[in-house]
Amino acid sequence: GAVVSQHPSWVICKSGTSVKIECRSLDFQATTMFWYRQFPKQSLMLMATSNEGSKATYEQGVEKDKFLINHASLTLSTLTVTSAHPEDSSFYICSARETAGINQPQHFGDGTRLSIL
Amino acid sequence: AQTVTQSQPEMSVQEAETVTLSCTYDTSENNYYLFWYKQPPSRQMILVIRQEAYKQQNATENRFSVNFQKAAKSFSLKISDSQLGDTAMYFCAFTTLIGGTSYGKLTFGQGTILTVHP
Repeated sequence: GAVVSQHPSWVICKSGTSVKIECRSLDFQATTMFWYRQFPKQSLMLMATSNEGSKATYEQGVEKDKFLINHASLTLSTLTVTSAHPEDSSFYICSARETAGINQPQHFGDGTRLSIL
Repeated sequence: AQTVTQSQPEMSVQEAETVTLSCTYDTSENNYYLFWYKQPPSRQMILVIRQEAYKQQNATENRFSVNFQKAAKSFSLKISDSQLGDTAMYFCAFTTLIGGTSYGKLTFGQGTILTVHP
């Protein structure tokens, strides 16, 4: 149980393109989802906390107009990298926290490798 | 603000031997939770073990155990009988409870790359 599906797993696109990444909780409801960015051999950096039906909370230094987050349902959050440039190339990972129960850990997606040419 | 520090960028161990990964943290909270995550080359994040700060007993999951020293703010991971499949990057992480029932956002350490040699 507790599977998080992230799509696509790998995307290559031209500079200036907008790219949408989906994060779905397949067998549980997730009021809260998190989006991380990770560079090679480095730690996960939290970009934003996504809450169903409300605006996302962005971490300091993360451009909210650049990284648009939508959490329209209890099982889906999307991250759109707008007008992507080579410096946005990175590994993006989402996680979802189960709504039900207490002390539920975050369940992670498999990540999306984004390459901007 | 909470910080998590992993001072060992890379570690290596022979298969079947034991290795300990270090982690220290800083917080003013009294009730919090600590985790170790494993990220193999596939880059999927896998929860290895978790510890509630109010519990004195160290958590254990099969070959994985922790040494939690609350006063010293230390949370090390011991891997016994290391296997080739343990080769991965390991992250120590910290969180507090939100509303008394849900984990808040995770703060990760820098990570330790562990290589298990045959």
